Amino acid sequence: SQTIHQWPATLVQPVGSPLSLECTVEGTSNPNLYWYRQAAGRGLQLLFYSVGIGQISSEVPQNLSASRPQDRQFILSSKKLLLSDSGFYLCAWSGTGGDYGYTFGSGTRLTVV
Amino acid sequence: AQSVTQLDSQVPVFEEAPVELRCNYSSSVSVYLFWYVQYPNQGLQLLLKYLSGSTLVKGINGFEAEFNKSQTSFHLRKPSVHISDTAEYFCAVSENTGGFKTIFGAGTRLFVKA
Repeated sequence: SQTIHQWPATLVQPVGSPLSLECTVEGTSNPNLYWYRQAAGRGLQLLFYSVGIGQISSEVPQNLSASRPQDRQFILSSKKLLLSDSGFYLCAWSGTGGDYGYTFGSGTRLTVV
Repeated sequence: AQSVTQLDSQVPVFEEAPVELRCNYSSSVSVYLFWYVQYPNQGLQLLLKYLSGSTLVKGINGFEAEFNKSQTSFHLRKPSVHISDTAEYFCAVSENTGGFKTIFGAGTRLFVKA
């Protein structure tokens, strides 16, 4: 069966520090991969999506970047965190075609102080 | 481009009462529709989905939803809620054009009271 792993679960980082969040998927190949951010009391904002290795699309201009070095690995990064980067970050994967729905990781709670 | 509107940000309801969480969408093409549930500090879990066929779809935990194309709605219902149903519920839509992006609504907080 397919599983998705996301870590760490919680992270407290000072302003100006770098960030690296990792997400890996098991049990499937060539998944579509996504990074979402969920601010407190708000919905999900799509940050990045990827349909293949090295293929990254950004939905909103921001202080973050994403990379997909391997088929089932998706990394969210920042060189210098801002206070506004605080939030709940969710990784998800789906099959191609849009009709499978998403499977989400358990999320990372990032607090920038 | 598609959009999703969840009409209620919070829905308080007593245990064993019925509940309906409302969702409207907008799209210029055919869509797939989804409902997800999120428990505190967890990721989202797929409750149910509408792809085609019967407009009434049943999901996990006793939830069901009805697709209404003329009203562009996909409301979620449960005839009798439990305390454990307290969670955030998200309606989502993806376009049926071979694409892969899903747009989520802002969420509805269901609070079940004893």
